[in-house]
Amino acid sequence: EAQVTQNPRYLITVTGKKLTVTCSQNMNHEYMSWYRQDPGLGLRQIYYSMNVEVTDKGDVPEGYKVSRKEKRNFPLILESPSPNQTSLYFCASIRGAGDVETQYFGPGTRLLVL
Amino acid sequence: AQSVTQPDIHITVSEGASLELRCNYSYGATPYLFWYVQSPGQGLQLLLKYFSGDTLVQGIKGFEAEFKRSQSSFNLRKPSVHWSDAAEYFCAVGAGKTSYDKVIFGPGTSLSVIP
Repeated sequence: EAQVTQNPRYLITVTGKKLTVTCSQNMNHEYMSWYRQDPGLGLRQIYYSMNVEVTDKGDVPEGYKVSRKEKRNFPLILESPSPNQTSLYFCASIRGAGDVETQYFGPGTRLLVL
Repeated sequence: AQSVTQPDIHITVSEGASLELRCNYSYGATPYLFWYVQSPGQGLQLLLKYFSGDTLVQGIKGFEAEFKRSQSSFNLRKPSVHWSDAAEYFCAVGAGKTSYDKVIFGPGTSLSVIP
């Protein structure tokens, strides 16, 4: 089954304690992306990756890092989380190009930073 | 700076009625445009997208959207709403070099459907 998985699904942590949210897709997609969702703000793109070792900043990259060492994985790293990073996070991957493109989303990771 | 507005925070329609969700964007060139739906049971899903060509775009679940350059709009429509369409709808614009780069989302419109 084609899918994007995220772990953990729920996480409570404290300010300053480094954490990683994993994202994995089993569809051999080149393009992957991270978003955060906050009430009243919709979704905001954090980082995206067009291929292995190719990443770029989205709209709100501050406080986040990513890596893309292999095609299937695109982890999101919070080196020193702060309460303003409390949010719902989504990973996504893209299949195809042009008219046949479609986007697959993971189930989301709900993060609370105390 | 690029931006997306969705003027209606919440809309309620009766089942079987037609639907139009409004979206306006601010961008200097022809953007990539998207509509997404988010529902508790199915998570986030891409409904349709506009990259170029025909300004009337067909999507999944019976939705369509029309790109109007003169009005900087990309409104989503459905001729007959079903109860399962109740969800949050997001319009988005891709302002980067490729379609999914630098994607900016609107704040969303919540749709309720009355049986």
